[in-house]
Amino acid sequence: DTEVTQTPKHLVMGMTNKKSLKCEQHMGHRAMYWYKQKAKKPPELMFVYSYEKLSINESVPSRFSPECPNSSLLNLHLHALQPEDSALYLCASSRPTILRDTQYFGPGTRLTVL
Amino acid sequence: QQPVQSPQAVILREGEDAVINCSSSKALYSVHWYRQKHGEAPVFLMILLKGGEQKGHEKISASFNEKKQQSSLYLTASQLSYSGTYFCGTDILNAGGTSYGKLTFGQGTILTVHP
Repeated sequence: DTEVTQTPKHLVMGMTNKKSLKCEQHMGHRAMYWYKQKAKKPPELMFVYSYEKLSINESVPSRFSPECPNSSLLNLHLHALQPEDSALYLCASSRPTILRDTQYFGPGTRLTVL
Repeated sequence: QQPVQSPQAVILREGEDAVINCSSSKALYSVHWYRQKHGEAPVFLMILLKGGEQKGHEKISASFNEKKQQSSLYLTASQLSYSGTYFCGTDILNAGGTSYGKLTFGQGTILTVHP
């Protein structure tokens, strides 16, 4: 099983809302990633968790708050977002061996901020 | 630090070949190739590692020139299913000779295969 699941598939939220994105994998991977992808652009790394600890934060605004409650689950908490945060949010996972193996991507959550 | 891909777009007929290039200004630990179809997640194609190790699909080949900090993806006998946007992701070599542990993706190459 090489599946990464993400919920919800679509999310529409206002600028004052609080919402969360969820990502799950059962491949035993210990590295998990959040990416943001705007239309016709490449994925941009936001956060990396390694062994449930935040190892990389790519200077992401604090209105995005990641959380890794266990080795299978990754959340992204959203609060007071801006319309320019509308994008496809992709989760990925990999074995933690310093990127000697592929990252498996989930299908993404398409976020619209009104 | 974003790698540069070329060409930006390629149009092929079924059965034709294509080469997509990825060039970095920094020394690389690894290069990862993905294909993304519209509205879908990126799908892994190939990893090329410093030192020559490769992992990927049987029908797709790639090269990695560590000295030139370049990689090329070779698509032979293209099929309609090859259509999509191809991204290279690069992991830069750190001072200790290993990985930073993060990928930076090129701007993408749009490949269209016609019958």
